[in-house]
Amino acid sequence: GAVVSQHPSRVICKSGTSVKIECRSLDFQATTMFWYRQFPKQSLMLMATSNEGSKATYEQGVEKDKFLINHASLTLSTLTVTSAHPEDSSFYICSARDGRGGPGTQYFGPGTRLLVL
Amino acid sequence: QKEVEQNSGPLSVPEGAIASLNCTYSDRGSQSFFWYRQYSGKSPELIMSIYSNGDKEDGRFTAQLNKASQYVSLLIRDSQPSDSATYLCAVAPNNYKLSFGAGTTVTVRA
Repeated sequence: GAVVSQHPSRVICKSGTSVKIECRSLDFQATTMFWYRQFPKQSLMLMATSNEGSKATYEQGVEKDKFLINHASLTLSTLTVTSAHPEDSSFYICSARDGRGGPGTQYFGPGTRLLVL
Repeated sequence: QKEVEQNSGPLSVPEGAIASLNCTYSDRGSQSFFWYRQYSGKSPELIMSIYSNGDKEDGRFTAQLNKASQYVSLLIRDSQPSDSATYLCAVAPNNYKLSFGAGTTVTVRA
């Protein structure tokens, strides 16, 4: 399957700081990437859809000014958690659509574990 | 009603047995269906996709789809301890965003 990378894999930061997470499609171009958040023992929750060259589409209840998404190229999307607080601590996972895998197929990056102290 | 529903488990099966996982969905117009495997602390990994009614086999995995009943299942034959994970059912109602079930935790006993 398609390869998606994320960086960093783990980050610990102080409350009030901003954290940037990168998501890259390594062997294909992705016009659309998705950002998910997963809390312990819960399923994935879609936060936003990242579209190359246009504004991201946020799911209901997700603050667009807090979770800034930039999809500047066909292989890179970034998620910035601004003014992070302990309640933002979670597992953040990106995915990318690859048409080679069939309609709707998404491949996931390895995830970024964020801990806000 | 949740868009995608799964039994949370845990489902415990002995090594070598068949594990059967079930999933129902609410959007009758859904066209694409997926099973992902997620090991503890890791991100989901795609193991099966299915688009047409019937069975689709890939190695020890068989996905079954019944659109009339809005039901999709996954069978794992000859279960191995390495199959112990949480299995996520995902549905793409419009082939765009995925809706995930809560996941079924499978434990294979050696």
